[in-house]
Amino acid sequence: RKEVEQDPGPFNVPEGATVAFNCTYSNSVSQSFFWYRQDCRKEPKLLMSVYSSGNEDGRFTAQLNRASQYISLLIRDSKLSDSATYLCVVNFYYGGSQGNLIFGKGTKLSVKP
Amino acid sequence: NAGVTQTPKFQVLKTGQSMTLQCAQDMNHNSMYWYRQDPGMGLRLIYYSASEGTTDKGEVPNGYNVSRLNKREFSLRLESAAPSQTSVYFCASSEEPVGGRETQYFGPGTRLLVL
Repeated sequence: RKEVEQDPGPFNVPEGATVAFNCTYSNSVSQSFFWYRQDCRKEPKLLMSVYSSGNEDGRFTAQLNRASQYISLLIRDSKLSDSATYLCVVNFYYGGSQGNLIFGKGTKLSVKP
Repeated sequence: NAGVTQTPKFQVLKTGQSMTLQCAQDMNHNSMYWYRQDPGMGLRLIYYSASEGTTDKGEVPNGYNVSRLNKREFSLRLESAAPSQTSVYFCASSEEPVGGRETQYFGPGTRLLVL
C-alpha cells in the first residue's frame, strides 16, 4: 500500500495564529495532491489542490516538494471556524483510468479564542 | 442539486445479517467510490466504479459487494456482517476516473454498528 503520513496532532492554537501541517508520501509514481477538510462527524470536503509551483487561496497556502516527497499546508490568521481535521490526499496514478487515492490519517486542528 | 446522498444514516446490525447501503449522485459524474473510515485510520477504498457498468476492487474489498445500478447509483452490500465491519461508510463521486485532478465529492456517510 502506498503510504501518506501526516503530523498526528492535535494542534491547539489561539485565534490569529499561523499553523503549518506537513505530509510525506512514499512513492514517486506520477501523482496529484490535495488537502481535504473534515469537520467532526461530517464528510471530507476538498480544501485545495496542490500544484507543483505552490498555490494560495486566501489564508491558505499549499506547497509541494517532489524531490523530498513532501506537501505542506499553511494557515494564516487562524479562525475558530478553521477547527477541523485536515486530510492530506495523494493520487497515485498509473496511467489510463488506473490510480489510487490514498488518504492520510488526518491532523486535527483546534483554534481557541 | 443534492450532490451525493446516502441511506441510511445509521444502522445497527447483528453479526451475520445482511444489508445494502445506497448511494446516489445527481452531478452526472462518471466515477463513484465506497470508502470506510475507522478511528486512527485514513479513509480506505473498498470498491470503485470508473464508469457505468464497471466495478473494481479497492484496498479492502473482502466482505463487500457492489452494484453500479446506473450512472447515478452505486450500492454497497454486506452479505454477512461482522463486527470488524463496524465503521463509517462514505460514498463519493467524481467527474473523471481516478487518475486525473478530479475532485471527489462525498456523501454524508452511513454509521454502521455490527454487534
